[in-house]
Amino acid sequence: GAVVSQHPSWVICKSGTSVKIECRSLDFQATTMFWYRQFPKQSLMLMATSNEGSKATYEQGVEKDKFLINHASLTLSTLTVTSAHPEDSSFYICSGTSGRVTFFGPGTRLTVL
Amino acid sequence: TQLLEQSPQFLSIQEGENLTVYCNSSSVFSSLQWYRQEPGEGPVLLVTVVTGGEVKKLKRLTFQFGDARKDSSLHITAAQPGDTGLYLCAGPNAGKSTFGDGTTLTVKP
Repeated sequence: GAVVSQHPSWVICKSGTSVKIECRSLDFQATTMFWYRQFPKQSLMLMATSNEGSKATYEQGVEKDKFLINHASLTLSTLTVTSAHPEDSSFYICSGTSGRVTFFGPGTRLTVL
Repeated sequence: TQLLEQSPQFLSIQEGENLTVYCNSSSVFSSLQWYRQEPGEGPVLLVTVVTGGEVKKLKRLTFQFGDARKDSSLHITAAQPGDTGLYLCAGPNAGKSTFGDGTTLTVKP
């Protein structure tokens, strides 16, 4: 199956700093990627749709100025959590679609102190 | 309104028991996917079902897509501790994937 990678796999930062998470499709091109947030023992919550070469589309309730998304190439999307606060601590997962199937990255655990 | 409803939400069983997880919707889906996710990792695709009434088997796991393509089930035979994890069903919706709430399965040795 297709492979999606994320970097870093985990990050700990101080409150007020910004954190960038990378999502790469390794063996397919993804004009669209998706960013999810997941809290413990809960399902994935879609945050935004990342579109290559254009602006991301954010889900209702997700602050676009806080969660900056850049999709500069067909294989790379980045999510930057700006001025992170403890409530932003979560598991962030990206995905890309190849054919009918969505493949997920391994996730990034963000802990904001 | 949740497009995909999974049940049960939590399931704790003994090794060797059988179980079924359900994924229901009032909407028709062109396909449904089942994923398993272990703590600290991303979801891993188990299967995609496309045709109404389709049954797919993956070792001890049997997946079924409803005739009307509105629901799906996952049956595990003789569950093992290694089956422990969060099981998610998902379907395409307006170019995105919509997920069920998930079923947390714990198989005790």
